[in-house]
Amino acid sequence: RKEVEQDPGPFNVPEGATVAFNCTYSNSASQSFFWYRQDCRKEPKLLMSVYSSGNEDGRFTAQLNRASQYISLLIRDSKLSDSATYLCVCKAAGNKLTFGGGTRVLVKP
Amino acid sequence: DTEVTQTPKHLVMGMTNKKSLKCEQHMGHRAMYWYKQKAKKPPELMFVYSYEKLSINESVPSRFSPECPNSSLLNLHLHALQPEDSALYLCASSQKDLGTGNTIYFGEGSWLTVV
Repeated sequence: RKEVEQDPGPFNVPEGATVAFNCTYSNSASQSFFWYRQDCRKEPKLLMSVYSSGNEDGRFTAQLNRASQYISLLIRDSKLSDSATYLCVCKAAGNKLTFGGGTRVLVKP
Repeated sequence: DTEVTQTPKHLVMGMTNKKSLKCEQHMGHRAMYWYKQKAKKPPELMFVYSYEKLSINESVPSRFSPECPNSSLLNLHLHALQPEDSALYLCASSQKDLGTGNTIYFGEGSWLTVV
């Protein structure tokens, strides 16, 4: 079983719609969680950290469920520019992040 | 724009060549990383330097040799690579160690092709 698992997608989303997807992690000692966004042939860029109480950044909302060991990302009012691969990242002890395989989102007109 | 700068952006090298990838950051970060990413896969950690000392080596073959000359610079020396080593090589940095809330910031990467 992978440490961090994501549905690879693609999630085909009409422009203006809402899309949500999850990421499950197996290491209960994971302390910090992040969502990164990666465009085709570009580097991953930090989208947002995920806090225990959940947090929102504009159209993006992240949630953490420690009991069930998953985090989620919700995108409201999807834009064409939201098309990308979204990487879930978890940190346990030490200077090491574990990346999920990524969820591909395609927003279509 | 990323504050982690990598050069070169593209590199083609033969299997007998010796080349180096370079990375520089001026954010005062004290941890620096090399990742390798193949197509449609997530980044894979190769090395971590913390305070200019190698702290993590993920069992990377010796044909990859990292070097951290100072807190701002990180190199990856390449020698006798194989075609399967062709990938995107990403440098990243973070504030000291990855405490709660700290995360890493990537450079734009170096696209390496081994022929």
